Formats: sequence, structure tokens, C-alpha cells
Amino acid sequence: GQQLNQSPQSMFIQEGEDVSMNCTSSSIFNTWLWYKQDPGEGPVLLIALYKAGELTSNGRLTAQFGITRKDSFLNISASIPSDVGIYFCAGQPPAGTASKLTFGTGTRLQVTL
Amino acid sequence: DGGITQSPKYLFRKEGQNVTLSCEQNLNHDAMYWYRQDPGQGLRLIYYSQIVNDFQKGDIAEGYSVSREKKESFPLTVTSAQKNPTAFYLCASSNWGDYGYTFGSGTRLTVV
Repeated sequence: GQQLNQSPQSMFIQEGEDVSMNCTSSSIFNTWLWYKQDPGEGPVLLIALYKAGELTSNGRLTAQFGITRKDSFLNISASIPSDVGIYFCAGQPPAGTASKLTFGTGTRLQVTL
Repeated sequence: DGGITQSPKYLFRKEGQNVTLSCEQNLNHDAMYWYRQDPGQGLRLIYYSQIVNDFQKGDIAEGYSVSREKKESFPLTVTSAQKNPTAFYLCASSNWGDYGYTFGSGTRLTVV
């Protein structure tokens, strides 16, 4: 099955730095989602984007739905140690259909003090 | 509180034995999913079910089986036919018209 291309694959940053990651697809999606997976746990939804061009924030997180509907971006400002984990993007076809989420390959974030 | 529960958190089995992983949700969600995650890898879909008594194969269904006899339950059996069963298994659920999945906390299966 298709997986979305996420980059970078991994990041090692210092506490306080900003982080940017992106996700691209060959298909158009109606909804983009960003999840975070803590080590040894299941992914948790961070942000959902519903409209092309939309920019949405959740605390230190900001995500954007690309104009082409084929990409999305996630930024984390002023990183802290608890930001460590794997970040997954996911694209969703129109709600109400029998279609499944398509997940990205993940970006592993490590934060050093 | 509503949620999705996977049990056990850690599971050890001998090679050649079948093992069943439990997934229960009280969110009244219609659809349920099983994913496999290997170290440093993304999520790969094993099976999914959109209604009771119906399920479909995902991308890596070989060596696995599922049942959906009740709306709230979607157990996954890892059979002896699965060549490399050691992995982290995630269950998820969703509802038509909703956005995104709710995930369980996962089961780490180790076959020795």
C-alpha cells in the first residue's frame, strides 16, 4: 500500500530549537492529520487540517495544509525534551467514505539538552 | 472515559505457537484496524473491519487472522505461519464522518 513521503526521516536537535517537517503525496487528500507517537505507545492526534491553505496551531505546534492538497507541513517551536517521539502525517479521503487513512513513513525526533 | 484498550502490553511466545492479541473499544466506533510497526519503521496495515462480521485484508495480512463478532472487539491472531512475528502491534478505531483514528497503546510481541 501507499505510504506518504515524510522528511526528514530523523532529526537530532537541541532543546529550544525550532523543528520543521513535511509530508508529500502523489494523491490529493481532503484532510491532513498529524500524529505523535511516544516511545512504546500508540500515536495520538496532534492537529487536523480540513481545507487547502489552512494554517492551524496547537500550542507550540503549527501545521499547514498545502495549496495543492498533496502536501502538509508541521512546525514545532522552542522544542523541549518531551517532544521526543515519532511524528506521523496522515492523509484522509472525504469523510463518510469507506476509505482508510494513508500514513507517512514518520519523522523521528530526538531532543538533546 | 471512552477509549481503546489493547492487552497485554507485553507478550512472549515460543516459535510455532499461535497467539491472540486483544483490542476492545468503548467509543461506539464502526471501523477497527490492526497495524504492525517494526523498529524505526512506519505503520503497516494488517487487517481492517468496517462493520461487524466483515473484515478485509490490509497490506501484510499473510500469517494473521482476525474476527469481528462484536462491534467493540477486534482480536488479532498471529499464527505460526507468520515468519517474523516479533513486532509492536497497534489497534485503532474510527467512525464514519469522523476525522482520524483513535489508537490503542499497543502490544509488543516477542517470539523466541
